[in-house]
Amino acid sequence: EIVLTQSPGTLSLSPGESATLSCRARQSVSSNYVAWYQQKPGQAPRLLISGSSSRAPGVPDRFSGSGSGTDFTLTISRLEPEDFAVYYCQQYAGSPRTFGQGTKVEIK
Amino acid sequence: QVQLVESGGGLVKPGGSLRLSCEASGFKFIDYYINWIRQAPGRGLEWLSYISPSGNTIFYADSVKGRFTISRDNAKNSVYLEMTNLRADDAGVYYCTRELRPYYEFLTGYYLWGQGTLVTVSS
Repeated sequence: EIVLTQSPGTLSLSPGESATLSCRARQSVSSNYVAWYQQKPGQAPRLLISGSSSRAPGVPDRFSGSGSGTDFTLTISRLEPEDFAVYYCQQYAGSPRTFGQGTKVEIK
Repeated sequence: QVQLVESGGGLVKPGGSLRLSCEASGFKFIDYYINWIRQAPGRGLEWLSYISPSGNTIFYADSVKGRFTISRDNAKNSVYLEMTNLRADDAGVYYCTRELRPYYEFLTGYYLWGQGTLVTVSS
């Protein structure tokens, strides 16, 4: 099982600032099959990034993903009020699929 | 309308059973793997299981292996999750999901999610 560890647990930022979220895998994720999701209270998660860096349809370009092997990053440039949420990374290269524990981006 | 709709959640006693359903509409169901994911109250996402379009390939998380059974009926555009010997830590919102691209293309994350169905395990 590929274990994913996200950091930090909570990120306190102001609108307009940039956020950098980390996702580290205990072993290499083949084909960079890492996705990022955003979840707001009471809602289902929303796919933001697939394949480490490909934005899903309709996702604003202020969201970007990068990384390979064991280290992956989600960057949100110029935080908008609607971006304050919990973010999860996931690997879908191996079975079982696994999620990180999440990073909460909160308003400072 | 492209959507997944879960149903079947509810209150069940520890040791009891429940069958969740996930009905798809608006897309070619037989082209997609379907996954079940759950979220305990106030907790993160936990992947549980997937089933291939034909139903021949199935995988489970260790936490539910031997207690949960996934199946699908392509004629009804539906996937099911039969849950037995339920425990308190099985409580949460259960989502079914679909990838962005069909199975014969490249793998992606989960683009389509249902609204979730709530399972409560309590005596």
